[in-house]
Amino acid sequence: SQTIHQWPATLVQPVGSPLSLECTVEGTSNPNLYWYRQAAGRGLQLLFYSVGIGQISSEVPQNLSASRPQDRQFILSSKKLLLSDSGFYLCAWSIAGGGTDTQYFGPGTRLTVL
Amino acid sequence: GENVEQHPSTLSVQEGDSAVIKCTYSDSASNYFPWYKQELGKRPQLIIDIRSNVGEKKDQRIAVTLNKTAKHFSLHITETQPEDSAVYFCAAVNSNSGYALNFGKGTSLLVTP
Repeated sequence: SQTIHQWPATLVQPVGSPLSLECTVEGTSNPNLYWYRQAAGRGLQLLFYSVGIGQISSEVPQNLSASRPQDRQFILSSKKLLLSDSGFYLCAWSIAGGGTDTQYFGPGTRLTVL
Repeated sequence: GENVEQHPSTLSVQEGDSAVIKCTYSDSASNYFPWYKQELGKRPQLIIDIRSNVGEKKDQRIAVTLNKTAKHFSLHITETQPEDSAVYFCAAVNSNSGYALNFGKGTSLLVTP
């Protein structure tokens, strides 16, 4: 069966510091991968998605970037965090193929920027 | 792009009553509509989904209906229980051209004993 991991689970970072969040998927090949952010008490905002190694699509322009160095690894980064970057970051995967299918979420990383 | 509206934003029902959450979407080409349940501090979990070739789908106490003409879909929970209390999100996507689920803003459901 498929499993999705995220780390760290929680993170407290000062404004202006860098960020690296990691997501890995097990049990499937060439998944579609997604990064979402959820601000406190709010809905889910899609940040990036990837349909293959090195292929990244950005949904919202901001100070975040994403990379997919390996088939089942998705990384979210920032060079300088802002207060507004605080939130619950969720990675998700879906089966590869044309278009989207059911998306399954990882356990999330709760980021607090002070 | 797709725009998904979800109502109500909060819903309080007594245990045993039914709960209905409604969503509308703007892109008539959308063809996949999942519903997620998110408990406090946890990840969203898929509870039911429907594709545009069917009008209704049921799974025990949960059902989803889809009206393609009106571009709206609804989640129905019958015989609610306190453990149904959570935030529920609807989403829509055209799976032939897009990869990103477009989520509603969520409904906070409280089931009181």
